[in-house]
Amino acid sequence: SQQGEEDPQALSIQEGENATMNCSYKTSINNLQWYRQNSGRGLVHLILIRSNEREKHSGRLRVTLDTSKKSSSLLITASRAADTASYFCATVPFGGYNKLIFGAGTRLAVHP
Amino acid sequence: GAGVSQSPSNKVTEKGKDVELRCDPISGHTALYWYRQSLGQGLEFLIYFQGNSAPDKSGLPSDRFSAERTGGSVSTLTIQRTQQEDSAVYLCASSWAGGSQETQYFGPGTRLLVL
Repeated sequence: SQQGEEDPQALSIQEGENATMNCSYKTSINNLQWYRQNSGRGLVHLILIRSNEREKHSGRLRVTLDTSKKSSSLLITASRAADTASYFCATVPFGGYNKLIFGAGTRLAVHP
Repeated sequence: GAGVSQSPSNKVTEKGKDVELRCDPISGHTALYWYRQSLGQGLEFLIYFQGNSAPDKSGLPSDRFSAERTGGSVSTLTIQRTQQEDSAVYLCASSWAGGSQETQYFGPGTRLLVL
């Protein structure tokens, strides 16, 4: 079963705008990861944030983690048409190995 | 270097038939995972192999599903007596050693359609 929910389910923006996606989860975690999926196929790892971290940056990506609220957000700044994809958060349960528990995903459409 | 590969890319089968899905992990990766992505259930974990340890089969949905990993490399996921609800994209991933902080590298998936 899925760990939690993501919102929004779908997001449509113009190139250059920022996109924010949120993820909530249910149990204690070791870390939280964000993945991108194009065309319903292979997933690409974007960023990992550990449970003792609050914010992490990678290029145009910014991830925050609030373990007290069991939530995370992914911000994509200055979006491009090539960012159009589905984005999933995935958690690794505390004390477990690297077994990913995925959220439902957000479908992002960036229009030129 | 080469990424994770899966075959076939697409598979159409009739209800009741058996199917085998193959995964070639990245060379040197000792951890291998199978996930399933379907409209109703989203992305869900199926099974995990790590080295010579017994696999974690806790995500397999029924005893019609089985998987093996030969020689610590290639893995085959077998679905017996397929049902229409088995229709999904089956994704394989690998990582160096299965540690909780490691990046998993995903293959392109096999899209299975059961008629």
